[in-house]
Amino acid sequence: AQSVTQLGSHVSVSEGALVLLRCNYSSSVPPYLFWYVQYPNQGLQLLLKYTSAATLVKGINGFEAEFKKSETSFHLTKPSAHMSDAAEYFCAVRVNSGGSNYKLTFGKGTLLTVNP
Amino acid sequence: DVKVTQSSRYLVKRTGEKVFLECVQDMDHENMFWYRQDPGLGLRLIYFSYDVKMKEKGDIPEGYSVSREKKERFSLILESASTNQTSMYLCAHRVGQGRTGELFFGEGSRLTVL
Repeated sequence: AQSVTQLGSHVSVSEGALVLLRCNYSSSVPPYLFWYVQYPNQGLQLLLKYTSAATLVKGINGFEAEFKKSETSFHLTKPSAHMSDAAEYFCAVRVNSGGSNYKLTFGKGTLLTVNP
Repeated sequence: DVKVTQSSRYLVKRTGEKVFLECVQDMDHENMFWYRQDPGLGLRLIYFSYDVKMKEKGDIPEGYSVSREKKERFSLILESASTNQTSMYLCAHRVGQGRTGELFFGEGSRLTVL
């Protein structure tokens, strides 16, 4: 079964510092991978997705992620944190269940705190 | 703009009550999903539907049922609410083409069962 593991339930950075949120996946076939962000009291919003077209994926708000097959990783980065980046971030993998099913399996989330 | 509307943002119910959570999408999409979100557990799939009257169990279907009579509406039903169903419930539908499409989420319904 496909799954994702997010390392670190809470990451704290200073404003202007590098943001690195870790995600490792487990899949027997090439996966489709996603990063979502959730601001307080809101639903999830897509940041970016990997669909095998390019290993370095750029998303919204200056975030990007690199797919590394050898490391089974899809870490999310941003060169310079902004206060508005404070939120919870979820990594997800598409479960390849065939047919017309498009279930996503989510990690447990990483809460990002940005300190002034 | 893509839109998913969840009927109630906040609900408070009593143990044993029947609860309906409704979700409406305006894009004529086939695939719709109900997840619940709990601190430290992430999102867990309750049920999903890939067409009208078609449904499949997700990872945690116990205590829940769903209804999809029309394509745009996907309802989550708690037949007899219990305190352990206090949670945030998120509805989503799939957007985009083929296998690379992503899920688009509503703003969530926070249910408290007393």
